[in-house]
Amino acid sequence: AQSVTQLGSHVSVSEGALVLLRCNYSSSVPPYLFWYVQYPNQGLQLLLKYTTGATLVKGINGFEAEFKKSETSFHLTKPSAHMSDAAEYFCAVTRGGRRALTFGSGTRLQVQP
Amino acid sequence: NAGVTQTPKFRVLKTGQSMTLLCAQDMNHEYMYWYRQDPGMGLRLIHYSVGEGTTAKGEVPDGYNVSRLKKQNFLLGLESAAPSQTSVYFCASSYSADRNQPQHFGDGTRLSIL
Repeated sequence: AQSVTQLGSHVSVSEGALVLLRCNYSSSVPPYLFWYVQYPNQGLQLLLKYTTGATLVKGINGFEAEFKKSETSFHLTKPSAHMSDAAEYFCAVTRGGRRALTFGSGTRLQVQP
Repeated sequence: NAGVTQTPKFRVLKTGQSMTLLCAQDMNHEYMYWYRQDPGMGLRLIHYSVGEGTTAKGEVPDGYNVSRLKKQNFLLGLESAAPSQTSVYFCASSYSADRNQPQHFGDGTRLSIL
């Protein structure tokens, strides 16, 4: 069975600081990995995805993530946090015929002025 | 282009009542999903559909039923609501069976069962 673990349910950074949100996965087959963002009272929006090829993936709003097979990780980073980045972030993995996503428990990012 | 639309946005039910949540997508997507979101648990798959007229169970299907009579609509039913079904429900859709295709989400339905 596949699973996703997000370390830290809450992360707080100062505006302009580095953002690092951690995600580890377990999967017996090569996974497809996703990061989604959820703003208050909204649905989930796709930030970025890893399928095959380049292990460093760039997404929207200046975010990027690196797939590290040896560490089974897919951490999300952004060099400089902005107030508008405050939201909840979900890491997810998919495989199998039904194509459904298995989500981590989420990390709420706070950005302090 | 509306994308994925969920109705209603909010609802309060009494234990034992029934209701149906509607999801509509205008992107001609084949795959549709219902998830529930609970604090500290991420989103969990309730049911899904791989095309018109088909449905299948996800991780947490008990207490729910679904129907996909039209390609653009995916209905989630609660026959006899229980307090444990208090949650935020999200519908999602994707274009094809290709894992490369991302899922598009609606804005959610907040459901409280008293």
